[in-house]
Amino acid sequence: NAGVTQTPKFQVLKTGQSMTLQCAQDMNHEYMSWYRQDPGMGLRLIHYSVGAGITDQGEVPNGYNVSRSTTEDFPLRLLSAAPSQTSVYFCASSYGQGGYNEQFFGPGTRLTVL
Amino acid sequence: AQSVTQLGSHVSVSEGALVLLRCNYSSSVPPYLFWYVQYPNQGLQLLLKYTTGATLVKGINGFEAEFKKSETSFHLTKPSAHMSDAAEYFCAVTANTGNQFYFGTGTSLTVIP
Repeated sequence: NAGVTQTPKFQVLKTGQSMTLQCAQDMNHEYMSWYRQDPGMGLRLIHYSVGAGITDQGEVPNGYNVSRSTTEDFPLRLLSAAPSQTSVYFCASSYGQGGYNEQFFGPGTRLTVL
Repeated sequence: AQSVTQLGSHVSVSEGALVLLRCNYSSSVPPYLFWYVQYPNQGLQLLLKYTTGATLVKGINGFEAEFKKSETSFHLTKPSAHMSDAAEYFCAVTANTGNQFYFGTGTSLTVIP
């Protein structure tokens, strides 16, 4: 049982490049989410999903896309990276369709946009 | 809408002393409240949560928190700090019917030997 896994652990991009941050969980959790963590700002919700085929925007969705084709995977796409997207990104999952259950976090992806 | 305010971005305590980390929330509906801990270069781990029922909630590693509706607070305490408690602590809130978490800005706890 690997829990929540994220790849890559580190990534450096140039402004305008695109990339996908991968997130997978093997706990059969319906709810999955993406956060970004910035100094002094805590974690902010980017997008979330309550099940395969269902996604919705969180607090800071601009510049990011998501899809949920399977229960296990929830990739986050940066379409055209900007320096303001330099951050640490965390994926999380929880049982059920609500965010009120315990969320299990991945180890994070540290992204730098030059 | 929900929000969380954590008072004090940095807290230092001596080993063996009381730990008190403050969290105040704002919610237009009955809230669910959480404390998470983050060790360096790791993801977040749940310490404890309040959903309904008993207002004093006990968590892992000897931590507890009390939900006080009249004060809109959910402060985290531990009677005796240990060196291993040094970490970043986050308070979070969600609505009891919601699926969006709102985290505070975090409190970094330093334990002085």
